[in-house]
Amino acid sequence: GQQLNQSPQSMFIQEGEDVSMNCTSSSIFNTWLWYKQDPGEGPVLLIALYKAGELTSNGRLTAQFGITRKDSFLNISASIPSDVGIYFCAGQEGYGGSQGNLIFGKGTKLSVKP
Amino acid sequence: DTAVSQTPKYLVTQMGNDKSIKCEQNLGHDTMYWYKQDSKKFLKIMFSYNNKELIINETVPNRFSPKSPDKAHLNLHINSLELGDSAVYFCASSHSGGAKNFGPGTRLTVT
Repeated sequence: GQQLNQSPQSMFIQEGEDVSMNCTSSSIFNTWLWYKQDPGEGPVLLIALYKAGELTSNGRLTAQFGITRKDSFLNISASIPSDVGIYFCAGQEGYGGSQGNLIFGKGTKLSVKP
Repeated sequence: DTAVSQTPKYLVTQMGNDKSIKCEQNLGHDTMYWYKQDSKKFLKIMFSYNNKELIINETVPNRFSPKSPDKAHLNLHINSLELGDSAVYFCASSHSGGAKNFGPGTRLTVT
């Protein structure tokens, strides 16, 4: 089945640093979504992207839908301790039936530098 | 005010047992889903369901079956539980395949 390549797999952040992560796919998606998951919780939607080339911000978070529709990135500016967690990208082919299902990347784990 | 809720939060049971996980959404969404998250945190779709159509991921064993008493509920029944079924199960909902809202998860441990 389809797979998304999400990188990096993990990263350590120091407070105040900017963070970048991205996802690539061999297939075209009509929607890209970015989620954050805290320990013991379900994924929470951060940003949804619906058009190729779209650049959307949510506070310190910015995400872009790649022009080829096969990739997306998420940036976090001026990171703070509560940014730690696992970030997932997810792609969706369409809006109905099985095409409405999400294909998830394997996650990027953000931790605080010791 | 919880948008998507699941019960129980934790479920510990023995191999061979039958168990159910309940899910309710109060968002008025027309489509509900079950996802499985394995020990490596990989999230995979199991089922999607609206009042017209049930889509089953072909990799899901037929011991798993979703049951929807109404549009706001999609319960997951699991028969003859196996060790490999241990995982976190997430319910989610959306409008016609749009962005998904996830529940808090049910951690299933089979011993």
